Amino acid sequence: AQSVTQLGSHVSVSEGALVLLRCNYSSSVPPYLFWYVQYPNQGLQLLLKYTSAATLVKGINGFEAEFKKSETSFHLTKPSAHMSDAAEYFCAVTPIYNTDKLIFGTGTRLQVFP
Amino acid sequence: NAGVTQTPKFRVLKTGQSMTLLCAQDMNHEYMYWYRQDPGMGLRLIHYSVGEGTTAKGEVPDGYNVSRLKKQNFLLGLESAAPSQTSVYFCASSYVGQPPGTDTQYFGPGTRLTVL
Repeated sequence: AQSVTQLGSHVSVSEGALVLLRCNYSSSVPPYLFWYVQYPNQGLQLLLKYTSAATLVKGINGFEAEFKKSETSFHLTKPSAHMSDAAEYFCAVTPIYNTDKLIFGTGTRLQVFP
Repeated sequence: NAGVTQTPKFRVLKTGQSMTLLCAQDMNHEYMYWYRQDPGMGLRLIHYSVGEGTTAKGEVPDGYNVSRLKKQNFLLGLESAAPSQTSVYFCASSYVGQPPGTDTQYFGPGTRLTVL
């Protein structure tokens, strides 16, 4: 079954440091991929999505992700972390066998230290 | 626009009790979803609907029922609550993406349910 794997359930960085959150997908056909963010005690909101138009996708709040077919990856990055980036981040994929739904990864909690 | 709203925000049930969670959206979205979120497991799809009067099972449908009688509402029912259903429940809605599968889901604020 199609899925995404997020490496690292917790990531800690200092304010101003590079943020790198990892996501790998399992599919023989490039799927549609998403990153969602969940701030404390809130629902999820879309950060960015890959829909095959461009491999480097820019999202909100300075985040971006690069689709790499050869590595089956869609890692999320931000050059300089801010305290307000502390949240949980979810990678998700649209299964090719059913485009009506999303399959979410288990999430990565990002902590940002001053 | 209120977006996606969920009622109630918190609820405590005893084992065997029943309840209904209400989700409402004012964006005229076709698709609606119910997820549960548990620590370390991400979001898991319970049921979803691709239009008024339709429902379909997700990954973890057992113990839950849903109804979509009106396009803007999606109800999640627990007929006989169990402690394993203690979780945070999220509703989401989306338009029909072009191409299909590219749509953005919009989430409600969640309902925290505890079953004793």
